[in-house]
Amino acid sequence: GENVGLHLPTLSVQEGDNSIINCAYSNSASDYFIWYKQESGKGPQFIIDIRSNMDKRQGQRVTVLLNKTVKHLSLQIAATQPGDSAVYFCAENSGNTPLVFGKGTRLSVIA
Amino acid sequence: EADIYQTPRYLVIGTGKKITLECSQTMGHDKMYWYQQDPGMELHLIHYSYGVNSTEKGDLSSESTVSRIRTEHFPLTLESARPSHTSQYLCASSELGQGSYEQYFGPGTRLTVT
Repeated sequence: GENVGLHLPTLSVQEGDNSIINCAYSNSASDYFIWYKQESGKGPQFIIDIRSNMDKRQGQRVTVLLNKTVKHLSLQIAATQPGDSAVYFCAENSGNTPLVFGKGTRLSVIA
Repeated sequence: EADIYQTPRYLVIGTGKKITLECSQTMGHDKMYWYQQDPGMELHLIHYSYGVNSTEKGDLSSESTVSRIRTEHFPLTLESARPSHTSQYLCASSELGQGSYEQYFGPGTRLTVT
């Protein structure tokens, strides 16, 4: 079956530094990828998405990179702030199927 | 801000009780989902629906049932709650169309079965 996972369960960064959160997936048919942020006690919140016909997409302080050759997805957060502390999930699907979520990375920002 | 609501937000209930977790969305989305999540862990899909009178089981074996009588409403029922059901339950919705779209999540219901 599909396997969507993250390389590191926890990540600590200094405030102001850039953060990179990685994700590997195994379903080569996946054509849609999305990053969510989940703060304690809340539901996941959309950050950014990317379709398989792109390899990079930028938002406000965030960039998603997609490498289909090695089936790797990353989320870059520029100038990380304390409010970025949360658990980050990648998810993927193909066509009309439900999203498949990875295990999550807990980002801690050190002031 | 997504217009998707879940009630109750917190529930403590005894073993053997029947419970229904409510989920409603006002975005007119055809697709709706229920996920189970232990704190900080991955989300496991337990049920989904692509429209009225359509329901499917997800990847995680569950003793719950769902119904979809109205587009905006997707309740989850546990006929007999057990301590193993203690978890957070997240409802989500998305558009139905060609290709994939973002899923919008509700705030979750934290269930504790004693």
